[in-house]
Amino acid sequence: SQQGEEDPQALSIQEGENATMNCSYKTSINNLQWYRQNSGRGLVHLILIRSNEREKHSGRLRVTLDTSKKSSSLLITASRAADTASYFCATAAYGNKLVFGAGTILRVKS
Amino acid sequence: EPEVTQTPSHQVTQMGQEVILRCVPISNHLYFYWYRQILGQKVEFLVSFYNNEISEKSEIFDDQFSVERPDGSNFTLKIRSTKLEDSAMYFCASTTDLEGPQHFGDGTRLSIL
Repeated sequence: SQQGEEDPQALSIQEGENATMNCSYKTSINNLQWYRQNSGRGLVHLILIRSNEREKHSGRLRVTLDTSKKSSSLLITASRAADTASYFCATAAYGNKLVFGAGTILRVKS
Repeated sequence: EPEVTQTPSHQVTQMGQEVILRCVPISNHLYFYWYRQILGQKVEFLVSFYNNEISEKSEIFDDQFSVERPDGSNFTLKIRSTKLEDSAMYFCASTTDLEGPQHFGDGTRLSIL
């Protein structure tokens, strides 16, 4: 399997705190993407980081990629109740087929 | 903002029946995908489609499955003879860029009785 695991499986924080989610994978990749899924909805693309990049920012999101350790992290700063969702990392190799991790369930309490 | 639309949102079918799940990808997108998510499990790749051909398919995508782009807008997934284990959320996705983000629909919940 191309994909490893994400941790933690679930994370509960207070509004305003930062949330960090980690993802590991097993094989070579072209890029790694993070998606959010609200309950009963589809996957919403958050951010993409290419294999030759180490860090990327988008608004309150910060993603890092360590290809030597085959791992990535997603940091959400100053979390809001609306950030409550499941977060998935997905790796893409040739052909852009996405291989998803098991996801982290984030709950932000107001 | 343009979006991927999927119909129906929920489909209930008897085991052994054929089912067709429909998707309208974003209009200028060239690459199309189907994924599924069994309750409580990971999202799994089923098939990718480009230029009216299957580009890649997973082991799940056996002879019971087929995809079609019957016209310039629709992209369909057919399951010929459904099994209980086909019960899942099925997501359609599309993209313009083979190395870019994919845009997902809200999914069709397929329940096999």
